[in-house]
Amino acid sequence: DQQVKQNSPSLSVQEGRISILNCDYTNSMFDYFLWYKKYPAEGPTFLISISSIKDKNEDGRFTVFLNKSAKHLSLHIVPSQPGDSAVYFCAASANAGGTSYGKLTFGQGTILTVHP
Amino acid sequence: ETGVTQTPRHLVMGMTNKKSLKCEQHLGHNAMYWYKQSAKKPLELMFVYNFKEQTENNSVPSRFSPECPNSSHLFLHLHTLQPEDSALYLCASSQDRASGMQFFGPGTRLTVL
Repeated sequence: DQQVKQNSPSLSVQEGRISILNCDYTNSMFDYFLWYKKYPAEGPTFLISISSIKDKNEDGRFTVFLNKSAKHLSLHIVPSQPGDSAVYFCAASANAGGTSYGKLTFGQGTILTVHP
Repeated sequence: ETGVTQTPRHLVMGMTNKKSLKCEQHLGHNAMYWYKQSAKKPLELMFVYNFKEQTENNSVPSRFSPECPNSSHLFLHLHTLQPEDSALYLCASSQDRASGMQFFGPGTRLTVL
């Protein structure tokens, strides 16, 4: 049972346009969500996070939106740059307790390609 | 060195070999993790250590044996592995187990022949 799903394996975007990466989750205990970025031959690096008490968090070109009722989050990158080309993973944890306490559950990842 | 380091970066081993993966974090964190990433699959949590104590073993086969001698170092001892164990093994650390934000090392690419 995959509790965090990224249904788009890949996304291709033109430089300067908006990239929207989506993530769905099923576990209602999840209360903290993160996006990681991964380049080939490197480990994932933290990008941005959001707590369930918020519905939006912004950091420069990156904005994460959380829709708790739909159990859906998205990452918006605008404007997209060629250097943003990487694999993006969403992850979720349940910091309030439960079986997912202290654990990050990851989605499968979405390969983003930004064309010049 | 800063962040989370892992050695070796690449490892090729036979099924009868014994080898160890090493992870070191320079962040002053108290929780450390081993993950496995197989092709086209999500990162799978293997083990969690919090203040040097193992708090999670995610049904990992006994041919994988973790060791955490102190809060800065984590090892994964490997013996009699199978070809399907070939994957990228990632180490991560966080301030403590309750902290959702984890910092990852670059990983060890393991190939079992």
